[in-house]
Amino acid sequence: DVKVTQSSRYLVKRTGEKVFLECVQDMDHENMFWYRQDPGLGLRLIYFSYDVKMKEKGDIPEGYSVSREKKERFSLILESASTNQTSMYLCASSLGGHFNFGPGTRLLVL
Amino acid sequence: GENVEQHPSTLSVQEGDSAVIKCTYSDSASNYFPWYKQELGKRPQLIIDIRSNVGEKKDQRIAVTLNKTAKHFSLHITETQPEDSAVYFCAASMGAGNMLTFGGGTRLMVKP
Repeated sequence: DVKVTQSSRYLVKRTGEKVFLECVQDMDHENMFWYRQDPGLGLRLIYFSYDVKMKEKGDIPEGYSVSREKKERFSLILESASTNQTSMYLCASSLGGHFNFGPGTRLLVL
Repeated sequence: GENVEQHPSTLSVQEGDSAVIKCTYSDSASNYFPWYKQELGKRPQLIIDIRSNVGEKKDQRIAVTLNKTAKHFSLHITETQPEDSAVYFCAASMGAGNMLTFGGGTRLMVKP
């Protein structure tokens, strides 16, 4: 069974801080995704990657960047956290099949 | 890009009744339509999916229908039980494994 893990379940940061959210999958999946989940808005795609060193912008990339140096790890970076980035962040991986989601990181920016 | 709309945003039913959630999509190139269930505090889990070459798919009490011409698809849950209470998301993509565009979610409440 695919396991997708995220570095933190809960995170509290201050405005202006640089924030790193880590996601690791253990099944050699090529495709990895970062979504944010907000009530009434569903899951919105921030960035995705179909291979190492490769990244593509999703629907809401502003204020975020990503890094995929190794196949199993996909990092989401908030360059300068703002209060409107308070949200639930979900990582997912896939290999031609359905998505496997991580447990999510609930980020609060004060 | 793709846009997926989902209705209703909340749905309350009595235990044993049926529940229907509807989604529309905008991009006719989309060909894979999964449904996810997210229980409180947990990650979304795939419950059923359908591909564009199929009009209907069933799995026990759950069924999904797809109308490619009208660009809409629906989730049907029969004989609802309290454990069906959750948030349900529809999604669309151009091929399984590719990026998914999600609807806004439906909070289903099944009253005992």
